[in-house]
Formats: sequence, C-alpha cells, structure tokens
Amino acid sequence: DIQMTQSPSTLSASVGDRVTLTCRASQHISAWLAWYQQRPGKAPKLLIYRASNLEGGVPSRFSGSGSGTEFTLTISSLQPEDFATYYCQQYYTDSPPWTFGQGTKVEIK
Amino acid sequence: DVQLVESGGGLVQPGGSLRLSCVASGFTFSHYAMAWVRQAPGKGLEWVSTMSGSDFGSFYTDSVKGRFTISRDNSRNTLYLQLNRLRGEDTAIYYCAKIRIPGGRHYFGSWGQGTLVAVSS
Repeated sequence: DIQMTQSPSTLSASVGDRVTLTCRASQHISAWLAWYQQRPGKAPKLLIYRASNLEGGVPSRFSGSGSGTEFTLTISSLQPEDFATYYCQQYYTDSPPWTFGQGTKVEIK
Repeated sequence: DVQLVESGGGLVQPGGSLRLSCVASGFTFSHYAMAWVRQAPGKGLEWVSTMSGSDFGSFYTDSVKGRFTISRDNSRNTLYLQLNRLRGEDTAIYYCAKIRIPGGRHYFGSWGQGTLVAVSS
C-alpha cells in the first residue's frame, strides 16, 4: 500500500500569512494527488486534484504543486475561513486502497 | 447542485449490524462510481469501499472485507453500505462520496454530511 505522510501535523499561523503544507508519498505517484479541506464538524471538500488543478469555486489563494513523491499545498494569504484541517490523498492506482495522509491542522496563532 | 444525504447510523452493540443509505441528487447517479469514506472520532479519513456506476464492481479496504457490503440502486439514486459483525474500531462518521468524473480516477468531488456509527456495549 502507498503511505501518505503530511507535515507538519499542526501549523499555527495568522491571518494574512503565507503557509505551505507538505505531503509525501511512500512511492512514486506521478501527479495523482488530491487535497481536501475539512472545517470542524463539516464534511471534507475537494480543493485541488492532479496535484495542481484548482477545483471550481475554490479561491485562487490556494495552489498545489509537486509530482513523484513530494507535494505542497500553499495558501498565499490565510483567511479566517481557512483555519481547518487539510488532507492529501493519492489515487495513483486503479486498484485499492486509495490512501489519505493523516492531516495537517491549520490553527490560529 | 450535487447533494448526497446519508442516513442509517446509530448506536449498535459489538457484533451487530447496520445499513447505511446515501440518497443522491443533482447528477446522473448511474454514471458515477460512489464510495464510502469514514472518520473515527478525532482521527483522519479512511477510504472504506467503492462501487462502480454501471457494472457494479466493488472494492473494500482490507479491514472490512467479509463484514461490509456495498450496493446501489440506480433506479432510486441510492448507495448502501451493509455493516455486519461490527467492532469498536468501526466507530466513525461514515461519509458518502462521489468520484469526481465518470470513469475517472479515484478521488472525491462531492461529499455528504456523514452519518455516525457508534459501536459500543
């Protein structure tokens, strides 16, 4: 199985900060990676697919990059509604399991 | 707009059973693979099971194989998950999720609000 590791586990930041979250895969996954945002008590929401493609309706302050085994999600200017937990997910193979990282919680400094 | 509405969760004793449902609207249900993803209290996301849109092929994570069964009724736009021989570690919010594009790779474009399954004596 492909393991996904996110860092840091928790990130403390202020409104307006630029933040970068990292996701590493245990093996090459090309660009088959998605990022999700989960606000407290809510369902996850797709932000980015294929490592760098912004889902419709997602603000342009979110961006994704990377390929192979290392990926990043960047929020260019943190807004109050961005304080949430972010998960990466690999979908490299046509067969399961399709695995998530353990999440990075972005909290208010 | 895509809507996914789960139901059927609840408190059940170890060894018991539950059937979860997910009613879909806002898209052509039969064209899309659908999945269940769960989240244990305070923990991360775990993919559980997927069923394809038309050929009804199904996949399961190892920990639920032989205990959970995914199914769908395309005439009712409904996805199901039958949970049998439940264990404490199955306690989680269970989300219904839609694969983003028909026949596409396995990531999730839409999610329901979730239904809580609690396994305890």
